[in-house]
Amino acid sequence: QAGLTQPPSVSKDSRQTATLTCTGNSNNVGYQGASWLQQHQGHPPKLLSYKNNDRPSGVSERFSASRSGNTASLTITGLQPEDEADYYCVAWDTSLSGKVFGGGTKLTVL
Amino acid sequence: EVQLVESGGGLVKPGGSLRLSCAASGFTFNNYAMNWVRQAPGKGLEWVSSITHSSSHTYYADSVKGRFAISRDNAENSLFLQMNNLRADDSALYFCARETSGDFDYWGQGTLVTVSS
Repeated sequence: QAGLTQPPSVSKDSRQTATLTCTGNSNNVGYQGASWLQQHQGHPPKLLSYKNNDRPSGVSERFSASRSGNTASLTITGLQPEDEADYYCVAWDTSLSGKVFGGGTKLTVL
Repeated sequence: EVQLVESGGGLVKPGGSLRLSCAASGFTFNNYAMNWVRQAPGKGLEWVSSITHSSSHTYYADSVKGRFAISRDNAENSLFLQMNNLRADDSALYFCARETSGDFDYWGQGTLVTVSS
């Protein structure tokens, strides 16, 4: 099952802004968008952004999602140490009739 | 409070079978599609299977098609994954996840499956 493409790692200084990308095609990201999940080591994933780019209740305004064509992006402003985690995008793929995940991006906050 | 609690994982030999369960509480279970997602040690997330709220449709990743079967019991607020002909590369932490309008909005803590001789 072909997945979405995410950079394996991103490193940014504290208080800076990080933009994570997720590239798919017209059958998945380009079709309905992608949602974003955050996973801290040893914990289950947590939904950060719905595929319509809205934030679930309780998620910080520092996290914002967007989409341009077949690429979804997650922007995290004012980076904090607790933002250090793995970030995954996920989308429905109409050609596969299933969900596809990105490989995940490990965000390091320096 | 939404809670999803997986169980049924364990050590099984290649070719063996396991049945995972996910007990749901804190929401109207029969209103939501449900999913299984797995994560091999040190690896990323992999979607495994989905089932619609009424069980009318099920979906599977190619890697498990024909070997795994998802089901649910809405009267018991439970989700299941029957896993047959298990292989070493099925070893992973298996999460159940609630789906709302296509998004995985709640996750359980996972149950560990290890396939090894």
